[in-house]
Amino acid sequence: SAVISQKPSRDICQRGTSLTIQCQVDSQVTMMFWYRQQPGQSLTLIATANQGSEATYESGFVIDKFPISRPNLTFSTLTVSNMSPEDSSIYLCSVEMQGTYEQYFGPGTRLTVT
Amino acid sequence: QQQVKQSPQSLIVQKGGIPIINCAYENTAFDYFPWYQQFPGKGPALLIAIRPDVSEKKEGRFTISFNKSAKQFSLHIMDSQPGDSATYFCAANYNQGGKLIFGQGTELSVKP
Repeated sequence: SAVISQKPSRDICQRGTSLTIQCQVDSQVTMMFWYRQQPGQSLTLIATANQGSEATYESGFVIDKFPISRPNLTFSTLTVSNMSPEDSSIYLCSVEMQGTYEQYFGPGTRLTVT
Repeated sequence: QQQVKQSPQSLIVQKGGIPIINCAYENTAFDYFPWYQQFPGKGPALLIAIRPDVSEKKEGRFTISFNKSAKQFSLHIMDSQPGDSATYFCAANYNQGGKLIFGQGTELSVKP
């Protein structure tokens, strides 16, 4: 498995501002993902964070709203831009261990937009 | 076709009981089926997973049963304990490096 940390763990932000969430893994991994979990709901993939290239976004998610960086094999950031109350969710990063299908999740960032 | 349907939405059992959570899928390309356990305020934790070449897998008190022809799989928790009270998610995937498709989740409560 892998040890995954996220910063911040929670934040309360004002409408129209942006927040950058960091995800750090304790080992090099090939695949990193960002998911959103709305209150009381299941998880939905936002994008796959590709090292050295642009992220791959799922339908309904766009780069202008959720820019992602992945400068190396252990770190990624997700920015939630121009926030609205509808962006209030838990944002989770996950990693897939090389050579397996196993995905492990970070503790999540709980975002509230007022 | 990309959906994974999970039931029930919530489940209450007595300590020692065997809660069963069911999932169904349509996409026959799925070939990896994990279960995650999530406690309030925490990220999902990988509990157990199965590939479609086996019909059952056990890890401790947790068992996955898999029915390939029916395109269904289920999680059984033996001798359930109050500490098992959490939300459980099934998921499916069809290639390494691919996204997990999650079920809707089941909120389990184990009463003392």
